[in-house]
Amino acid sequence: DTAVSQTPKYLVTQMGNDKSIKCEQNLGHDTMYWYKQDSKKFLKIMFSYNNKELIINETVPNRFSPKSPDKAHLNLHINSLELGDSAVYFCASSQTERSGETQYFGPGTRLLVL
Amino acid sequence: AQSVTQPDIHITVSEGASLELRCNYSYGATPYLFWYVQSPGQGLQLLLKYFSGDTLVQGIKGFEAEFKRSQSSFNLRKPSVHWSDAAEYFCAVFNAGNNRKLIWGLGTSLAVNP
Repeated sequence: DTAVSQTPKYLVTQMGNDKSIKCEQNLGHDTMYWYKQDSKKFLKIMFSYNNKELIINETVPNRFSPKSPDKAHLNLHINSLELGDSAVYFCASSQTERSGETQYFGPGTRLLVL
Repeated sequence: AQSVTQPDIHITVSEGASLELRCNYSYGATPYLFWYVQSPGQGLQLLLKYFSGDTLVQGIKGFEAEFKRSQSSFNLRKPSVHWSDAAEYFCAVFNAGNNRKLIWGLGTSLAVNP
């Protein structure tokens, strides 16, 4: 069973389009994240949700809108796609602990905007 | 400010040789430290983590890391590298402050010569 899954795996689209990426985790975790990884492999956190509540929103353009229908799902909708949005988007999940928390990652969605 | 430095952007080793990837962190409190690996075209997989206790931690795939508080380091080691270890390696520290999130290094790309 895949712990953190994302769909689609690849997404090729034109500038100006709107697209969504879906993420699901079956680990029973209460926190989910979206990351963007650029061509230089730099990992940048975009959002995190804890129990469906937005916790982190890191200076991401408001064209990006996350939605968490329940604890196990976190979707990412992107409006008016731009060339610079081309990247790999990773979903991750973790369980809130008093000490450190371990994040588990999905396989990534490779987005190419033409 | 919290930060993670991976001084080596790219490392090449011969198969069978030993490996050490460096990681230095800057964090005011007790650090929770992680190493992740990203194989080409794949997601991020947890190699190992340090939360407390024994400062030498064992991970998957024969990797280990040693936490040295005096040097603010958490270097990753493997005694004998296999060709399948060629990947991107990321060190991270967990920020347990108000915005609970991972602070990431920029990664080290490992190439393995046959």
